[in-house]
Amino acid sequence: SQKIEQNSEALNIQEGKTATLTCNYTNYSPAYLQWYRQDPGRGPVFLLLIRENEKEKRKERLKVTFDTTLKQSLFHITASQPADSATYLCARHNQAGTALIFGKGTTLSVSS
Amino acid sequence: ETGVTQSPTHLIKTRGQQVTLRCSSQSGHNTVSWYQQALGQGPQFIFQYYREEENGRGNFPPRFSGLQFPNYSSELNVNALELDDSALYLCASSLADYRSTGELFFGEGSRLTVL
Repeated sequence: SQKIEQNSEALNIQEGKTATLTCNYTNYSPAYLQWYRQDPGRGPVFLLLIRENEKEKRKERLKVTFDTTLKQSLFHITASQPADSATYLCARHNQAGTALIFGKGTTLSVSS
Repeated sequence: ETGVTQSPTHLIKTRGQQVTLRCSSQSGHNTVSWYQQALGQGPQFIFQYYREEENGRGNFPPRFSGLQFPNYSSELNVNALELDDSALYLCASSLADYRSTGELFFGEGSRLTVL
């Protein structure tokens, strides 16, 4: 079955540093991967989508990479701020394309 | 804000009871999905509705059922509640061709506690 693994449950970094979150997938390569942000008690908010033929995608301070050889996506936040503190979820579609399969998420804490 | 609204935001039920959760999709979206998120876990897919028909279902028992209405709003019904049903229930709307854009628009969720 398809799985998404986010190996780090928590990541603590200092303000201004770059946060790097890892997402690994099993089985076949998905056509794309997605990243969401979730604040406590709130619904996930879409951040970025990267397709398998895209090596890298950027949006403001966010950067996502997709390595089909390693079956891995990396999510970077540069010049991190305390407001970036949240849980970040990686997701792929199931084979039918009807559902997203989410990882457990990585909780990022940025201290000032 | 995504424009997806869910009600109620919080509710408490006892084991064996039944619950109905409601969702109003973002304007123009004809597909709605429901997810269950237990504490410390990622959201898990329950089912998806497209034009009032169930279009996909996750690994949830039949006591989890749903409806989608002509205005694309939706309900999630859970019968014979169990303690393990305590979770945040998330509704997400999208366009039918969401596989090309990929983006799901989530509501803020309904927090269900089963005692």
